[in-house]
Amino acid sequence: DIQMTQSPSSVSASVGDRVTITCRASQGISSWLAWYQQKPGKAPKLLIYAASSLQSGVPSRFSGSGSGTDFTLTISSLQPEDFATYYCQQANSFPQVTFGQGTRLEIK
Amino acid sequence: EVQLVESGGGLVQPGGSLRLSCAASGFTFSSYEMNWVRQAPGKGLEWVSYISSSGSTIYYADSVKGRFTISRDNAKNSLYLQMNSLRAEDTAVYYCARGKGRSFDYWGQGTLVTVSS
Repeated sequence: DIQMTQSPSSVSASVGDRVTITCRASQGISSWLAWYQQKPGKAPKLLIYAASSLQSGVPSRFSGSGSGTDFTLTISSLQPEDFATYYCQQANSFPQVTFGQGTRLEIK
Repeated sequence: EVQLVESGGGLVQPGGSLRLSCAASGFTFSSYEMNWVRQAPGKGLEWVSYISSSGSTIYYADSVKGRFTISRDNAKNSLYLQMNSLRAEDTAVYYCARGKGRSFDYWGQGTLVTVSS
């Protein structure tokens, strides 16, 4: 199985900050990576697919990059509604995909 | 508007069975691959099962293989998950999720399954 490791596990930031979350795959996954946002008690929401493609309706302050084993999700200027938990998902072994353990983004 | 609404969760004893349903609306259900993804309380996301648009191709996570069965009824715009031989570790919120390429673009609100005596 392909293991996905996110870092950090949690991060504190302020409104307006630039935040970067990293996801590392245990083996190369090309660009088969997605990012999701989840708020407490809610379903995950797709933000980025194919490593860098922005899902329709997602604000442009979200961006994704990377290929192979190392990927990043960047939020250019944090807004109050962005405080949530973020998950990466590898799709190289689709449909048997795996998720990272999550990164909790908290208000400083 | 795309909507996915799960139902069928509840409390069940270890070794018991449960059938989850996911009612889809707002899109051509028969054209999309569908998945079940679960989340144990306070934990991360775990993919459970996949079914192709026609229902002819099915995959399961190793953790549920042989115990869970995914199916769909395109005439009823519905997805199902039959869960047998349930274990405590199957306790989770179960989401149905629509496939978008190799990711999941729409998710239901989830239904909680609790396996406990």
